[in-house]
Amino acid sequence: AQSVSQHNHHVILSEAASLELGCNYSYGGTVNLFWYVQYPGQHLQLLLKYFSGDPLVKGIKGFEAEFIKSKFSFNLRKPSVQWSDTAEYFCAVTREYGNKLVFGAGTILRVKS
Amino acid sequence: GAVVSQHPSWVICKSGTSVKIECRSLDFQATTMFWYRQFPKQSLMLMATSNEGSKATYEQGVEKDKFLINHASLTLSTLTVTSAHPEDSSFYICSARPWRTYNEQFFGPGTRLTVL
Repeated sequence: AQSVSQHNHHVILSEAASLELGCNYSYGGTVNLFWYVQYPGQHLQLLLKYFSGDPLVKGIKGFEAEFIKSKFSFNLRKPSVQWSDTAEYFCAVTREYGNKLVFGAGTILRVKS
Repeated sequence: GAVVSQHPSWVICKSGTSVKIECRSLDFQATTMFWYRQFPKQSLMLMATSNEGSKATYEQGVEKDKFLINHASLTLSTLTVTSAHPEDSSFYICSARPWRTYNEQFFGPGTRLTVL
């Protein structure tokens, strides 16, 4: 079965620190990849997505992610985090043209001001 | 654009009663809607896929007689938790996929269900 692994469940950073959240998936075929963010008390919002083309994807709020097919990875990065980035981040994968989004367990990011 | 609403945002009910949760796509038509369940400190687990005008497809381990899904229009899907028990207490989230898109889903704000 398809699965998504997020390496860190809790991350604590100081403002201006760089962020990298790991995501690996198990499906071997063509996939579509997503990062979602859930701010405290709010609903899931799409940060960025990869369908095809340039494996370096830029999203909202200064986030980017790189798809490395050989490593089955789609890590999320941000060069300098802000206190407002405190949230839970979910990596998700679906097969090309597939219905089912499979989510990772999520990473709770706390940014200290 | 692409706003999905859920109602109610939270509900408390007694054990044995049924609870209906609505999911609406406000500014687009959604041929497909999805229902997820999120346990505390865990990820979203897909419960079922709802296609307008047809029966929902349930994931393995999800009781279709307990979690009734109806997708009667292109903008509304409902999830009814029948004969709710405390173990059904959870955060239920829906998402909607716009017509003519394949892989993009927009999420509702979720409904917190507490069964006493």
